Amino acid sequence: NAGVTQTPKFQVLKTGQSMTLQCAQDMNHNSMYWYRQDPGMGLRLIYYSASEGTTDKGEVPNGYNVSRLNKREFSLRLESAAPSQTSVYFCASHQGASGRSEQFFGPGTRLTVL
Amino acid sequence: GQQVMQIPQYQHVQEGEDFTTYCNSSTTLSNIQWYKQRPGGHPVFLIQLVKSGEVKKQKRLTFQFGEAKKNSSLHITATQTTDVGTYFCAASTNAGKSTFGDGTTLTVKP
Repeated sequence: NAGVTQTPKFQVLKTGQSMTLQCAQDMNHNSMYWYRQDPGMGLRLIYYSASEGTTDKGEVPNGYNVSRLNKREFSLRLESAAPSQTSVYFCASHQGASGRSEQFFGPGTRLTVL
Repeated sequence: GQQVMQIPQYQHVQEGEDFTTYCNSSTTLSNIQWYKQRPGGHPVFLIQLVKSGEVKKQKRLTFQFGEAKKNSSLHITATQTTDVGTYFCAASTNAGKSTFGDGTTLTVKP
């Protein structure tokens, strides 16, 4: 099993450009998440999807949109990138059942907006 | 929303010294998880605590959940260079979302 995969690993954008970050998991998990991590800071939740077909805003959703394409895939879109969106983006998945709350993280996408 | 405060932000130790990071919440938590993130890496799950007063050990790591389920700690005995990284606590809600603390970054001097 590959676990959680993310593409691309690195990206440089100019202000105003758009892009989509891709995430896929092969663990048959119900819930998926997008976080951003700024230097020296923790993880802030952008959007999450508790189950296929549903998405909800997290702590910092402005400037982002998401799509839960199917159970495996959860994409994050920046419509008009801004320098404030320079960050490392992590996708995570979670089984969704009661009990264990462990989240599995992808390797991250390092995004720079000039 | 739920907030989780973590202290200290940074800790520098000599190899062999002990290390502790603390996680505090103003509200009662249903459970708490701990994650480790190596430099340049992604967070990796270490453990979950669920019961009031729970103590769990993983080799040199000891995790505690407070009696009131509002705080938790991670203690590393006799640190090694392989322990370097940032340690995060995370509190989850019934919806499965987790609120992460800002982490404690540990550096170990050989």
